[in-house]
Amino acid sequence: ETGVTQSPTHLIKTRGQQVTLRCSSQSGHNTVSWYQQALGQGPQFIFQYYREEENGRGNFPPRFSGLQFPNYSSELNVNALELDDSALYLCASSPEASGNYEQYFGPGTRLTVT
Amino acid sequence: AQTVTQSQPEMSVQEAETVTLSCTYDTSENNYYLFWYKQPPSRQMILVIRQEAYKQQNATENRFSVNFQKAAKSFSLKISDSQLGDTAMYFCALHWAGSYQLTFGKGTKLSVIP
Repeated sequence: ETGVTQSPTHLIKTRGQQVTLRCSSQSGHNTVSWYQQALGQGPQFIFQYYREEENGRGNFPPRFSGLQFPNYSSELNVNALELDDSALYLCASSPEASGNYEQYFGPGTRLTVT
Repeated sequence: AQTVTQSQPEMSVQEAETVTLSCTYDTSENNYYLFWYKQPPSRQMILVIRQEAYKQQNATENRFSVNFQKAAKSFSLKISDSQLGDTAMYFCALHWAGSYQLTFGKGTKLSVIP
């Protein structure tokens, strides 16, 4: 069974640029959630995708957007990068019938905005 | 709104000893789940233990157990026979039924000392 994978591992961008982060969900999981984890903080929920539709969203501006593909992989896009967007971005997947709400996390992408 | 508070930013414990990490939460919901996640320096977030709010019995997973006090909204994690591999950030998280997200605390950095 393949776990959640994310790419790239690290990247550095300049303020004002756009970035795309990628996530492959665990085999058999059709729900993907994205979280932002600033240094020294707990993860903050950005949004969730279920069957290619945005299923819920946290307190993040519209310049944070996403996609989910038919194979349940997902992308997180951030436009007009700001310095405060520097963080670890975590992807988590869960199976449809996850009545216990367990989420399985990937290793994250470390984004640095300069 | 749901909140999770971890009041111990850092803790240390001698190898083979027992340590307890504290967590309090606030929610107006009755149907929810509580989790402890471990995030080692390698960054991958790993589920340690889960507690359903409707269950009075405290969850146990090998050396890990919780003390769930529903009325006090307290959810502490006890690690017995601490091992060097337990060194990590530990996050307490809440997920209520009908929500899409995990709400995390700020974490406790645990160091196991040889």
